[in-house]
Amino acid sequence: GESVGLHLPTLSVQEGDNSIINCAYSNSASDYFIWYKQESGKGPQFIIDIRSNMDKRQGQRVTVLLNKTVKHLSLQIAATQPGDSAVYFCAENMAGNTPLVFGKGTRLSVIA
Amino acid sequence: IAGITQAPTSQILAAGRRMTLRCTQDMRHNAMYWYRQDLGLGLRLIHYSNTAGTTGKGEVPDGYSVSRANTDDFPLTLASAVPSQTSVYFCASSDSGGAPVDTQYFGPGTRLTVL
Repeated sequence: GESVGLHLPTLSVQEGDNSIINCAYSNSASDYFIWYKQESGKGPQFIIDIRSNMDKRQGQRVTVLLNKTVKHLSLQIAATQPGDSAVYFCAENMAGNTPLVFGKGTRLSVIA
Repeated sequence: IAGITQAPTSQILAAGRRMTLRCTQDMRHNAMYWYRQDLGLGLRLIHYSNTAGTTGKGEVPDGYSVSRANTDDFPLTLASAVPSQTSVYFCASSDSGGAPVDTQYFGPGTRLTVL
């Protein structure tokens, strides 16, 4: 079946460096993508989203890039801080009355 | 505004017992969802409801039931708990409940252990 997956299960980054978390998706009909951040003991928290008619979207210190040709999604975090340490999930959705499909998550560890 | 609340925060339950996890949102969102989260498996959808009075099955519905009598509440019931239902359960809600799916907001979770 179609699925959302992640290239790297864990990522360690030095404080102040940029982080890049990757996600591959296989459903070419997906038209909406979201990144969530989940800190230990808490529920997932929305970070940023992007629709398939866009290639890039920027937020505060975060940028999401969408490459529909290779079905790849990435989350870039600028000047990574200790508070960015968490598990990051990508999720996809197809147009229509379908629920989100989540990837398995990448753990980001920030080294002070 | 509380957003989404879940109760209990955690529970230890004997196998075979019935258990209802509660979820309430005060954002007047149309859609609500229940997920379970297990290490290495990410978030898996159990059941969802696009609007009050309707429910649908997700990826892992067996052993669980839900009801949506009103907009705010979406309880999840385990009729006869089994150890494989040990997990962290998250409730979520979103505004659109359909196409396009809007951002989902998550509750703090319920940690359930079935012995």
